[in-house]
Amino acid sequence: EDQVTQSPEALRLQEGESSSLNCSYTVSGLRGLFWYRQDPGKGPEFLFTLYSAGEEKEKERLKATLTKKESFLHITAPKPEDSATYLCAVQERAAGNKLTFGGGTRVLVKP
Amino acid sequence: DGGITQSPKYLFRKEGQNVTLSCEQNLNHDAMYWYRQDPGQGLRLIYYSQIVNDFQKGDIAEGYSVSREKKESFPLTVTSAQKNPTAFYLCATRERLGTDTQYFGPGTRLTVL
Repeated sequence: EDQVTQSPEALRLQEGESSSLNCSYTVSGLRGLFWYRQDPGKGPEFLFTLYSAGEEKEKERLKATLTKKESFLHITAPKPEDSATYLCAVQERAAGNKLTFGGGTRVLVKP
Repeated sequence: DGGITQSPKYLFRKEGQNVTLSCEQNLNHDAMYWYRQDPGQGLRLIYYSQIVNDFQKGDIAEGYSVSREKKESFPLTVTSAQKNPTAFYLCATRERLGTDTQYFGPGTRLTVL
């Protein structure tokens, strides 16, 4: 059974204080790993898809990386508007288009 | 304006009542999904449909039913058999076979009184 674990559960940062979120996964054969951002009371917003170890994607202050066992979401010099819950999900090759989600990391950036 | 719409945003239901959540999309996407989100837990898949008039159970289908009569619409019925229906329900779409990314609607919060 696919498993996705995100850590830490919550992260409090000062504005400008860079940090990383972790997503570790157990899957038979990875088709893709997805990162989403979710604001309170809203649907998740797609950020990145990573397909193979060593791949990196960037968007503004966010950078996602992938290894064979985990993915990191690096937040560089965060601003208060980066406060949100960040969700990680994996798609197994044999599971069609089913996604398995982690529990998320709640990020709070204080000015 | 293209996108995924879910209605209503908030829904209250008495125990023992069935209730239907709406999901509509004008993206011309082939596949549609329903997820449930509980506090502190990841999203869990309820049902999905890859083509009109066809759908499959997800991981937690018991107590739920769906239909896919039109490409644009994928309503979810929460029946009285669902033991703990209070949750945030999210609809998602995927463009076509061979693409992977799922895009989410704004969600419906269901509260059972």
